Amino acid sequence: QSALTQPPSASGSPGQSVTISCTGTSSDVGGYNSVSWYQQYPGKAPKVMIYEVTKRPSGVPDRFSGSKSGNTASLTVSGLQAEDEADYYCSSHAGSNNPVVFGGGTKLTVL
Amino acid sequence: QVQLQESGPGLVKPSETLSLTCAVSGYSISSGYYWGWLRQPPGKGLEWIGSINHSGNTYYNPSLKSRVTISVDTSKNQFSLRLTSVTAADTAVYYCARRVPAPGRYSDYWGQGTLVTVSS
Repeated sequence: QSALTQPPSASGSPGQSVTISCTGTSSDVGGYNSVSWYQQYPGKAPKVMIYEVTKRPSGVPDRFSGSKSGNTASLTVSGLQAEDEADYYCSSHAGSNNPVVFGGGTKLTVL
Repeated sequence: QVQLQESGPGLVKPSETLSLTCAVSGYSISSGYYWGWLRQPPGKGLEWIGSINHSGNTYYNPSLKSRVTISVDTSKNQFSLRLTSVTAADTAVYYCARRVPAPGRYSDYWGQGTLVTVSS
């Protein structure tokens, strides 16, 4: 069982927006601004899409955005494109004794 | 461009020790950052195993801590993973990755991953 809770699936049509949630506790998501989101295609390594809750690495389209409210972080993908179909994982810092925790992942389907 | 490459046996027998090495190019481990291992069982999610910095300071997943050792060899610009007493539950794709320190605390460069199967 993963430390952070994500919906197993999400979907949307091209051009629409989809939001994926990531729920933790005050010991991880709620306690730190070190929340990141990763995109993973089948058979490939994950790629960071969002870090520090809202920041985008260079090269990541601005269609991807992040936010946080209390113990829940969210990833929003606007203007969905076929290439956005992938698995998405959230991750958070959870203190010095367990620095890295992940969500179980969400499979995003573009209809 | 920072590149990481995992290497090691693809098949390990139950109760034996899994050993993997991650060779880093394009960046000197001695220059900073943390360097870590993660894994992903077939069809399942990501799990962080542990991280190390150039000074040898380590952090481990509490659920694996008793079986895990991560070490660094700055002269070869590589770091390694040892996981003892493996079982079928340790079958996974193992990734090495560079980890950005606080406040970021995320992995920015990843290896391609290597599948390790635990089976007799």
